[in-house]
Amino acid sequence: GQNIDQPTEMTATEGAIVQINCTYQTSGFNGLFWYQQHAGEAPTFLSYNVLDGLEEKGRFSSFLSRSKGYSYLLLKELQMKDSASYLCAVRDLNTDKLIFGTGTRLQVFP
Amino acid sequence: GAVVSQHPSWVICKSGTSVKIECRSLDFQATTMFWYRQFPKQSLMLMATSNEGSKATYEQGVEKDKFLINHASLTLSTLTVTSAHPEDSSFYICSASGRRNAQETQYFGPGTRLLVL
Repeated sequence: GQNIDQPTEMTATEGAIVQINCTYQTSGFNGLFWYQQHAGEAPTFLSYNVLDGLEEKGRFSSFLSRSKGYSYLLLKELQMKDSASYLCAVRDLNTDKLIFGTGTRLQVFP
Repeated sequence: GAVVSQHPSWVICKSGTSVKIECRSLDFQATTMFWYRQFPKQSLMLMATSNEGSKATYEQGVEKDKFLINHASLTLSTLTVTSAHPEDSSFYICSASGRRNAQETQYFGPGTRLLVL
């Protein structure tokens, strides 16, 4: 079966660092995506990991461990505009479909 | 700039009419396009998967005769909601999958809000 788990909600303070974890179990793995979705808007691509390790893009970094079925999204120097839902999605090897977690709603406070 | 576009961004129509939504990948060839629907405060729900030049594959519970999908080229897919009813009012989002800048990726369009009166 396929299962993606991530925390439902997180809070953090402006300027801080926050790590959003995602664990997954899939029958066929072909990469893991992180998306940001603000309320009322479509998801925005943040990162894609298919090999183990850390991918850094400015304030955002994403890590993948395929053997552990684990990924995290790291957000540094948090800004108020980072308040959004963060979606972890695993791509199925056979169908190319994205299997989404429920999303983590992050609230950044001043 | 935008990588995937959708048109229109907003549609208000009367019950019984058909609505066509276009999804374009702007700077890469999308081998596969996906159509999602999202109701307020709910997760994205995959409706169908389409590959260029072939028939779309619909998810369980999605009526293929109601939601017509055409994937005419590697950069364009259309979703037509036929005989729309108020319960079809939703946020429709496409995504395009392919290689962009030598990397596999999947980008979402900005979405189309459909309101059926």
